[in-house]
Amino acid sequence: DMQMTQSPSSLSASVGDRVTITCQAPQDISNFLNWYQQKPGRAPKLLIYDASKLETGVPPRFSGSGSGTHYTLTISSLQPEDVATYFCQQFDYLPLSFGGGTKVQIK
Amino acid sequence: QITLKESGPTLVKPTQTLTLTCTFSGFSLNTAKVGVGWIRQPPGKALEWLALIYGDDDERYSPSLKSRLTITKDTSKSQVVLTMTNMDPGDTATYYCAHSRTTSGVFGSFDYWGQGTLVTVSS
Repeated sequence: DMQMTQSPSSLSASVGDRVTITCQAPQDISNFLNWYQQKPGRAPKLLIYDASKLETGVPPRFSGSGSGTHYTLTISSLQPEDVATYFCQQFDYLPLSFGGGTKVQIK
Repeated sequence: QITLKESGPTLVKPTQTLTLTCTFSGFSLNTAKVGVGWIRQPPGKALEWLALIYGDDDERYSPSLKSRLTITKDTSKSQVVLTMTNMDPGDTATYYCAHSRTTSGVFGSFDYWGQGTLVTVSS
């Protein structure tokens, strides 16, 4: 199985800060990677697909990058409404798999 | 507008079979690049993909749960049904169904999700 490793598991940052979350795959997943945001008590929401493409309606402060085995989600200027847990997901291999999540809080 | 909603029991006993129904609207499950998947999330834990069915009847399962899962679709009712046999307390989780969109590769993204349904396994 393709175990996706996310880091950090949690972070606390100030409003306006630049936040970076990383996702590591054990082998090349050819940019077949998505990022989701999940707020407490809610279903996940797709933010980024195909590693770097912004889903329609998602604020441009969110961006994705990376290649091969290493991928990054960046929030350019953290906002209070960004408090959530973020998950990466690879779709190159079965079983489809998610990272362990990164909980983002406001300092 | 695409919507999905899960329905089924909130409590099942160990060894019983769970049957969950996903009723959707806003799309037709009749093309190869469109699918409906099931994903679960134990309380406070990460997401786990379970199964996926495409409009061309292609079915995919998590290998670790394949022997216990069956996914079917009823296009006329706009429903996808997941059955999971031999339920265990470790299967307690919120179960989500989600619309799958293939933009690249063989599989794709889950771009619309149901609200989820919490299933507790307890005697």
